[in-house]
This record gives sequence, C-alpha cells and structure tokens, in this order.
Amino acid sequence: AQSVSQHNHHVILSEAASLELGCNYSYGGTVNLFWYVQYPGQHLQLLLKYFSGDPLVKGIKGFEAEFIKSKFSFNLRKPSVQWSDTAEYFCAVNAGSGGSNYKLTFGKGTLLTVNP
Amino acid sequence: DAEITQSPRHKITETGRQVTLACHQTWNHNNMFWYRQDLGHGLRLIHYSYGVQDTNKGEVSDGYSVSRSNTEDLPLTLESAASSQTSVYFCASSPRLAGPYNEQFFGPGTRLTVL
Repeated sequence: AQSVSQHNHHVILSEAASLELGCNYSYGGTVNLFWYVQYPGQHLQLLLKYFSGDPLVKGIKGFEAEFIKSKFSFNLRKPSVQWSDTAEYFCAVNAGSGGSNYKLTFGKGTLLTVNP
Repeated sequence: DAEITQSPRHKITETGRQVTLACHQTWNHNNMFWYRQDLGHGLRLIHYSYGVQDTNKGEVSDGYSVSRSNTEDLPLTLESAASSQTSVYFCASSPRLAGPYNEQFFGPGTRLTVL
C-alpha cells in the first residue's frame, strides 16, 4: 500500500517569500501525484497533478511541483507567496497503473500561514 | 454547471443515534468516495464505490456504512454515532480511476458533532 509523508506541519512566511513544501511517497510502481489546497472553511481544490511526461508540473495560481522519481518526492514550490495563499496543502498519491490501489492516499497536510 | 453537494453542512447529534450524510454529484462519475478530516490525520478514506451496487471499505470504515443505488448518490450512514466520529466529512467523485482525468473532485464538507 502507498503512503505519503509531508515534512512540514506548519510553515509561516512573509509575503513575497519563496515557498517549498516537501512531499515524499512510498510505492514501488507507477504513480499519479497530486497537490490539493484547502482554503479556510472551504473544500479541497486541485492545485496540480502529475500523470506522466515532464516531471515539472505547473498548476494554478503560480504553483509548480517537481516529480523526482529517484527520491520518491513531489515537492510543491512557488517563487513568491501572497497573503491569499494562506491555506492547508495536501499531497496525495495513487497507483498510476491501476490494480488494487485506485484509492487516493493523502499526506497529513501542511498549514501555510502568510503574513502580510 | 455540474457539481457535488453535501447535506447537511452542519449536524449535531447525540451518542447512539443513527445519522445519514448525503452526497450528490451531477457529473455522472462512476467513482465516489467518503473521507473524514481530523486535525493531525489529514484525510482518511472511509468507504468508496466504483459504480452502482458496488461498495468497498476504506481504512477507517468501522461504524460507517454506504449504499449505492444510483450513479449520483452515495449516502454515508453512522449506525450508532460515537463521540470519536466527531469530524468533518468530505465526499468526492472522479471520472476515472487510472490514467489522466483521474483526479477527485470534492464536495463542501459536512461538520458533524456527536455529543
């Protein structure tokens, strides 16, 4: 079964600072990787996903993530954060080749607080 | 516009009562999921369904049940509510299980408090 580890529980930044949130997964086969964002009081929304091809994935709102297969990592980045990026961020993985692991497994989340 | 809705959005109940949370999607997705979200645990899968009459247990299914009688709805039932089931519950659906377009779309959530 797959698992996901997010290294940072709570990250506090000032506006315009650069952001990198770590995500590592454990699964031996092909994977699909996702980053979801949850703004305060709202439901989860997809930021970006990796399916195949270019390991550098660009998402909405200026976010990007890089899939490094050798490190089992899918870190989320943004060059300059804004106050409106304050939210909780979840990394998730499922088995890309199907089989019995269709389920999406989430990390425990990283709360990002951006101070104006 | 197609969407996924949950009702009620907030619910307070007492220990031992049966509670049903509704989830309805208009995307015609075959795959539907229920999660609970708790501080420090992220989202954990309760039950999921790959189509009508199909239901499967997730990692935290004890005390919960689901039924799938049509494509649009996957109600979640707490047979006898316990205080440990106080949580925020999210329903999700996806068009595919593998390949592109397999991301899940989430509903707005139901905040359940069991006293």
